[in-house]
Amino acid sequence: DAKTTQPPSMDCAEGRAANLPCNHSTISGNEYVYWYRQIHSQGPQYIIHGLKNNETNEMASLIITEDRKSSTLILPHATLRDTAVYYCIVRVELRSGYALNFGKGTSLLVTP
Amino acid sequence: EPEVTQTPSHQVTQMGQEVILRCVPISNHLYFYWYRQILGQKVEFLVSFYNNEISEKSEIFDDQFSVERPDGSNFTLKIRSTKLEDSAMYFCASSDGRSSYEQYFGPGTRLTVT
Repeated sequence: DAKTTQPPSMDCAEGRAANLPCNHSTISGNEYVYWYRQIHSQGPQYIIHGLKNNETNEMASLIITEDRKSSTLILPHATLRDTAVYYCIVRVELRSGYALNFGKGTSLLVTP
Repeated sequence: EPEVTQTPSHQVTQMGQEVILRCVPISNHLYFYWYRQILGQKVEFLVSFYNNEISEKSEIFDDQFSVERPDGSNFTLKIRSTKLEDSAMYFCASSDGRSSYEQYFGPGTRLTVT
């Protein structure tokens, strides 16, 4: 199973873009990269996922390098409510469905 | 917006007792999951469930654990004889099985075993 590496913590000023990096150098060609976040002890919240192309939705953008060994989650205008632990995950295929292999994530602190 | 719900939000039980944690997945979803998170640790996969049977389970999901979908809406996790180390947040998740495969998580049940 592909592993991911993220910095343990990051700070970002409110209103600025938050760029959260992730290394997944052992990812295979058909494995998706998912990003989730967890605010305090709430249930993880889906943010975005991608395979090869860059992706954007109403929450964030995902930039995946051409060799797919790393990616960056971008929150374009961080707010205080974006303070959370952000997880970069390569999903584990099961017989049916898949499992999310959560690591320790990046604890993002958005400051006023 | 549809969401996964879980009850109770907090369950306190004595060691050796049986507990049942309940989840109502999103109505048109086909895949169901349980995860747990011990305080201060990472979220861990327990089990996946599809087509009325367990699809896969982790090493954590031993004989003390079982899952069931007793009707068309509920999805339950039973711990037969709780241990102190079962104290954790338990999260239910579901997905619709289409290509996007996002898993949507419930708010969790905090289980405290005393």
